[in-house]
Amino acid sequence: DIQMTQSPSSLSASIGDRVTITCRASQSISSYLNWYQQKPGKAPKLLIYAASYLQSGVPSRFSGSGSGTDFSLTISSLQPEDFATYYCQQSYSSPYTFGQGTDLDTK
Amino acid sequence: QVQLVQSGAEVKKPGSSVKVSCKASGGTFGSYSISWVRQAPGQGLEWMGVIIPMYGTPNYAQKFQGRVTIIADKSTSTAYMELSSLRSEDTAVYYCARDVSDLSSNWFDPWGQGTLVTVSS
Repeated sequence: DIQMTQSPSSLSASIGDRVTITCRASQSISSYLNWYQQKPGKAPKLLIYAASYLQSGVPSRFSGSGSGTDFSLTISSLQPEDFATYYCQQSYSSPYTFGQGTDLDTK
Repeated sequence: QVQLVQSGAEVKKPGSSVKVSCKASGGTFGSYSISWVRQAPGQGLEWMGVIIPMYGTPNYAQKFQGRVTIIADKSTSTAYMELSSLRSEDTAVYYCARDVSDLSSNWFDPWGQGTLVTVSS
């Protein structure tokens, strides 16, 4: 199975901050990498697919980059509604695996 | 616009089985796959398997092989996930999600609201 490792596991930031979360795959996954946001008690929500494509309706402050084994999710200017947990997920091969999550909270 | 609505919370005894439903509306059921993902309390996300309703062919994560059955009923636009031989570690929220394929890749969008399954004696 492909292991996905996110860093950091938790992150404290302030409104307006630029925030970057990284995700590393245990082997090359080309651009088969997706990012999700999850708020407490809610289902995950797709933010970025195929490493860098912004899902329709997602604010443009979110962006994704990377290929191969190293990927990142960036929030250019943190807003109050962005405090949540973020997961990366590889779709290169089954079983489709997720990172352990990054908890983003307010500083 | 596809929406997925799941069945309600369940409480099950160890050793029993649970069957969770996921009813789709909008879009054309059968033209997309449905994946199942679970999340234990306070834990991350774990993919369990996927079904392509058009073909009825499931693909399961090795971890759940032999215990999970995923089916799709095109007549009611509903997918089902049944997990057997339940143990306490199966206590989790179970999600269905549309498995979108494009750009030679795939991703999960949207997700159902989740179904809490509690396994307790």
